[in-house]
This record gives sequence, C-alpha cells and structure tokens, in this order.
Amino acid sequence: GQQLNQSPQSMFIQEGEDVSMNCTSSSIFNTWLWYKQEPGEGPVLLIALYKAGELTSNGRLTAQFGITRKDSFLNISASIPSDVGIYFCAGASGTYKYIFGTGTRLKVLA
Amino acid sequence: GAVVSQHPSWVICKSGTSVKIECRSLDFQATTMFWYRQFPKKSLMLMATSNEGSKATYEQGVEKDKFLINHASLTLSTLTVTSAHPEDSSFYICSARDFMGWNYGYTFGSGTRLTVV
Repeated sequence: GQQLNQSPQSMFIQEGEDVSMNCTSSSIFNTWLWYKQEPGEGPVLLIALYKAGELTSNGRLTAQFGITRKDSFLNISASIPSDVGIYFCAGASGTYKYIFGTGTRLKVLA
Repeated sequence: GAVVSQHPSWVICKSGTSVKIECRSLDFQATTMFWYRQFPKKSLMLMATSNEGSKATYEQGVEKDKFLINHASLTLSTLTVTSAHPEDSSFYICSARDFMGWNYGYTFGSGTRLTVV
C-alpha cells in the first residue's frame, strides 16, 4: 500500500532538546494528522491540521500543514523521557481514507 | 473524548482456526470504521474500510474471504481472520471516524496482537 515518507526514521536526543520531524508526499493532501504510538498500543492522536499553512499547538507539540499541501512538520520542544515512542503522520485527500507515514522512532536520553 | 475499545488485546491460535476481533465505539456512533495491520517496527497499513450496514471496502492485495469484516451496528465492527496461518501473525488495529466539533477525527483502538502457531 501507499505510504508517506517520514524523516528521520529514528533519533536519539538529550532531554530538554527540541525535536523536529517531517512528512512528505508526492500527492496533495487536504488533511494531516499526527499520532504517537507506544509499544503494544494503538496510535493516539496528537494534532489535526485541516488547512494549508495552518500552525497548531498542543502543549509542547507544534505541527504545521505545509503550504504546498504535500508536507507537514511536527516539532516537540524541551523533550522529556515520556516523549519516547513512534510518531506517525497521516494524510488524506478528499476522502476519509488516511495514508500513514513510515514513522519516526524517538528515544530520549535523560 | 471518543473511546474505541478493541478486544481481545492479544490472542494465540492454532494454524487453521479462525479468530474474531471486535472494535467498539463506546461513546459515539461510527458509521465508518477502519482496520489496519502493523508489522513489527513498521507503519500501519490500511486493510479495509468497514461501513455500517453494507459491505466492507478492501484495499488492493487484501483477501476479503480471509479477512471477513462485519459492521452490523453503529458501534461495532468485527474482523475475522479465517483459517489463520503463521504469516497472519501481526498487530491488528481498528479506528473509528468521529465528528469532533467542526471536523472529523479518527480514534484508534488499543490493538490486538495475533499469534498463529
């Protein structure tokens, strides 16, 4: 099935550092979602984006819907150990069928 | 907020048997639910879209006779893996489409880890 390219694939960071990850597509999307998944659990929605250029925050998390509508970015400020997990982007165009990114595995070193 | 309950959370079955996984929307009605499959360290792959009262829509390459989906009510969708084989071992996750204020969101269940021995 189709997937979105997400980068980086994984990252180790020090506690307190800021984190950035992005998702790119060859297609235009109307909606971008960002999820976090912990081992053995289903994904949990972090942020939803519905308009090109939109910048939305949820606590220390900030996500942006790229103006080309082919990409999205997620930033985590001042990371803490509980930020560990896999972050997935998901995009949809027109229909409600979402395509998921390949995931970014985040590990935070205390 | 919206809650989706998935059951069982894990199951081990013998090769050749069938396994049913349930996905329930607890505090909202979901006309549309989705079933995903996830391999270790991989992303979620959409298997099918489950529509209440009608046949499911399967993604290319997903065998509809092997992965039976039933969405008989607005709060329940089931996925039955028929004649399971070891290669069907995976993490299966459902999600439900819910209207959240001014737009739709998608809430995921906690997943079911299937091991076929």
